[in-house]
Amino acid sequence: GAGVSQSPSNKVTEKGKDVELRCDPISGHTALYWYRQSLGQGLEFLIYFQGNSAPDKSGLPSDRFSAERTGGSVSTLTIQRTQQEDSAVYLCASSLSMLQYFGPGTRLLVL
Amino acid sequence: KQEVTQIPAALSVPEGENLVLNCSFTDSAIYNLQWFRQDPGKGLTSLLLIQSSQREQTSGRLNASLDKSSGRSTLYIAASQPGDSATYLCAVKSPQGGSEKLVFGKGTKLTVNP
Repeated sequence: GAGVSQSPSNKVTEKGKDVELRCDPISGHTALYWYRQSLGQGLEFLIYFQGNSAPDKSGLPSDRFSAERTGGSVSTLTIQRTQQEDSAVYLCASSLSMLQYFGPGTRLLVL
Repeated sequence: KQEVTQIPAALSVPEGENLVLNCSFTDSAIYNLQWFRQDPGKGLTSLLLIQSSQREQTSGRLNASLDKSSGRSTLYIAASQPGDSATYLCAVKSPQGGSEKLVFGKGTKLTVNP
């Protein structure tokens, strides 16, 4: 079956612009996660959804970051007024039980 | 706060060698520990998952051990092959803040030379 997909695969934007990153989880997976992987850093947790609600947003680095999930499926991560330090690979994962299945990521470059 | 450390950061070995990757974590109250493989430009592939009640898991040439009390895990790769070249990530799931999030180490970049 289809795995987790993310779009776009690559995004180049100018400082100050807003960007939207999309995640399509595996069908039927109730849990969805966003992580960020910056150069030289490990994967950092951003936000966790169970269904459409987000019980843990503790990893969002600032109020410029927001995420939503609709219909218990697709999720979008929005970064407003992007900064150069937002450049990273943004990874999405979905889960039904123990294992988290990861998408290929969106590589974001802020110039 | 849970922290995960992986040593070494990079490792280069000749083909056929057996090798060990190390992972340590600061809080022993974990649900499970996972080892992932990450290839350049691709997402993460789960290799092995060890529940907190387990001591080890095996899959093919891979064997992962867990010593929860000392906060350590090792990933043993037997008879390494060039196709094993990738970054290996260790992650723990802890009961922190009611979340199901994984806490990752920074990874070990493995190069297996033919």
